[in-house]
Amino acid sequence: SAVISQKPSRDICQRGTSLTIQCQVDSQVTMMFWYRQQPGQSLTLIATANQGSEATYESGFVIDKFPISRPNLTFSTLTVSNMSPEDSSIYLCSVVGKVGATEAFFGQGTRLTVV
Amino acid sequence: KQEVTQIPAALSVPEGENLVLNCSFTDSAIYNLQWFRQDPGKGLTSLLLIQSSQREQTSGRLNASLDKSSGRSTLYIAASQPGDSATYLCASGGADGLTFGKGTHLIIQP
Repeated sequence: SAVISQKPSRDICQRGTSLTIQCQVDSQVTMMFWYRQQPGQSLTLIATANQGSEATYESGFVIDKFPISRPNLTFSTLTVSNMSPEDSSIYLCSVVGKVGATEAFFGQGTRLTVV
Repeated sequence: KQEVTQIPAALSVPEGENLVLNCSFTDSAIYNLQWFRQDPGKGLTSLLLIQSSQREQTSGRLNASLDKSSGRSTLYIAASQPGDSATYLCASGGADGLTFGKGTHLIIQP
């Protein structure tokens, strides 16, 4: 299994500001994903982070609001831009490891509160 | 579009009981079915992965089954313990990411 570190683990932010969340994996992985878990809800896929190219966003999520970078096979960032209280959620990084592997692993998440 | 449903939404049982959590999905052409555990305020811990060609997987007191024809998966927990208290999530998907159910909130009473 992969060890995934997310930073920060939690933050309280003012509306209108932006927060960048980092995801670091202890080994090279093929796929990296970002999910959102709104209060009392299950997880929803935001986007697939593609190495060296633009992320692939799911319906309802756009690059201007959630810019994503993935400069290499072990690191990705998610930015939540121009935040509003509705963005208060847990944001989770997920990876699928080696080529041909299919099991997904998750970081501990970033709990974001927008005030 | 795949939809995943979990029943029941919440379950409370005395310690020592065997229990079954249910997961159903609408698209039988699934790639994987994965069960996770989520403790309050924490990330997800992978419990069991069933690939589309498999029918079940076991790990310790946990057994997960997959029936693609009926669109169902079950997670069986034997001899439940208070430490099993958590939210259990099932998810379908693969290389394009996962679609999650809303989870079953499980409480094991000491």
